Amino acid sequence: AQSVAQPEDQVNVAEGNPLTVKCTYSVSGNPYLFWYVQYPNRGLQFLLKYITGDNLVKGSYGFEAEFNKSQTSFHLKKPSALVSDSALYFCAVRDSGGYQKVTFGTGTKLQVIP
Amino acid sequence: DTAVSQTPKYLVTQMGNDKSIKCEQNLGHDTMYWYKQDSKKFLKIMFSYNNKELIINETVPNRFSPKSPDKAHLNLHINSLELGDSAVYFCASSQGLPAGDTIYFGEGSWLTVV
Repeated sequence: AQSVAQPEDQVNVAEGNPLTVKCTYSVSGNPYLFWYVQYPNRGLQFLLKYITGDNLVKGSYGFEAEFNKSQTSFHLKKPSALVSDSALYFCAVRDSGGYQKVTFGTGTKLQVIP
Repeated sequence: DTAVSQTPKYLVTQMGNDKSIKCEQNLGHDTMYWYKQDSKKFLKIMFSYNNKELIINETVPNRFSPKSPDKAHLNLHINSLELGDSAVYFCASSQGLPAGDTIYFGEGSWLTVV
């Protein structure tokens, strides 16, 4: 069985400061990992994904995420937060073995304070 | 051009009614999904179709019936609506079955049952 955990319901960060949104996962095989962002009353927008290769993945809007196999983590990061980054962020995982559905985390609300 | 479009965006209806939500994708993808997001923002897959064939059918009441007339369309019909069906329903699509494919979401359909 696969699972993903986002331990923080909400993260507050001052504008201009670096931000981190945490995600840990559990799969039996190799993981495929995704980050999505959801703005109020909108659908989920794809930010980035890790399939294989370089552990540091760069995505949209200046976001990046680091895959850490030993810690089974895939934290989302951005060097300098913008007020417009305030949104709900979802981490998702899919086991690379066979066809599996994607499992989404419970979401982390990011609040960037001006 | 909207990649995954669903209609209606907002739907308010009475208990016991039957309603449908339509979804179309113009990405040329082979796989389509219906997800449900509850009031706590938890996202859960309901159904998935690949080339018009049902491949994921989660534990969903029989009142929910997906229909895929072709691989670009996946509609959701709900019979005998209940208060607990109030949620946001997202249609989504991905290229195919490989686990690393990105899932692209529509903007959501807000269903309120009164």
